[in-house]
Amino acid sequence: DVKVTQSSRYLVKRTGEKVFLECVQDMDHENMFWYRQDPGLGLRLIYFSYDVKMKEKGDIPEGYSVSREKKERFSLILESASTNQTSMYLCASDRAYNEQFFGPGTRLTVL
Amino acid sequence: GDSVTQMEGPVTLSEEAFLTINCTYTATGYPSLFWYVQYPGEGLQLLLKATKADDKGSNKGFEATYRKETTSFHLEKGSVQVSDSAVYFCALSNAGGTSYGKLTFGQGTILTVHP
Repeated sequence: DVKVTQSSRYLVKRTGEKVFLECVQDMDHENMFWYRQDPGLGLRLIYFSYDVKMKEKGDIPEGYSVSREKKERFSLILESASTNQTSMYLCASDRAYNEQFFGPGTRLTVL
Repeated sequence: GDSVTQMEGPVTLSEEAFLTINCTYTATGYPSLFWYVQYPGEGLQLLLKATKADDKGSNKGFEATYRKETTSFHLEKGSVQVSDSAVYFCALSNAGGTSYGKLTFGQGTILTVHP
């Protein structure tokens, strides 16, 4: 059974903290993606990666960075968390132009 | 840039009612179109897709037809069940250039089906 896993389902952090969200896929996919999901806005792409150590900005990269040291793992980093980064974060992976597989999401609250 | 617009929600129906969720898009070239579904507490999963004009995607009783002339991909089901209660997202992927299969999503439509 193919799977995308995310390190936490729920996370509570304080303003200014550094936050790491981890995503692992077991399908040997080249492409991995980080989205945030907000009510009424759908999913918006933060960053994506098409190969190890390669990354591209999505539509809303400000305040975020990413790391992809291994093919199966893609991390999203909030260098200094702010309250407007409270959201649901979804990781996905695919093999070029095919179906994207999503993880269950991490609901992050920044106080 | 590319964009997807879904009908305003939420949508509330009785079991066995007919469902339509409207989706229109703006894109250059020849995008692929998708419907994803998100059940409570879960991530998104692909419901159906269509890769070229006049294609019909279908799955689990849901259908959608890729209409290039009206730039639409409306989701339909003839008889909904309580288990269909979820959030539905229309999306497109524009394979031109180096898009790497990026998806552009609509805002999502919450569907609630009552017994």
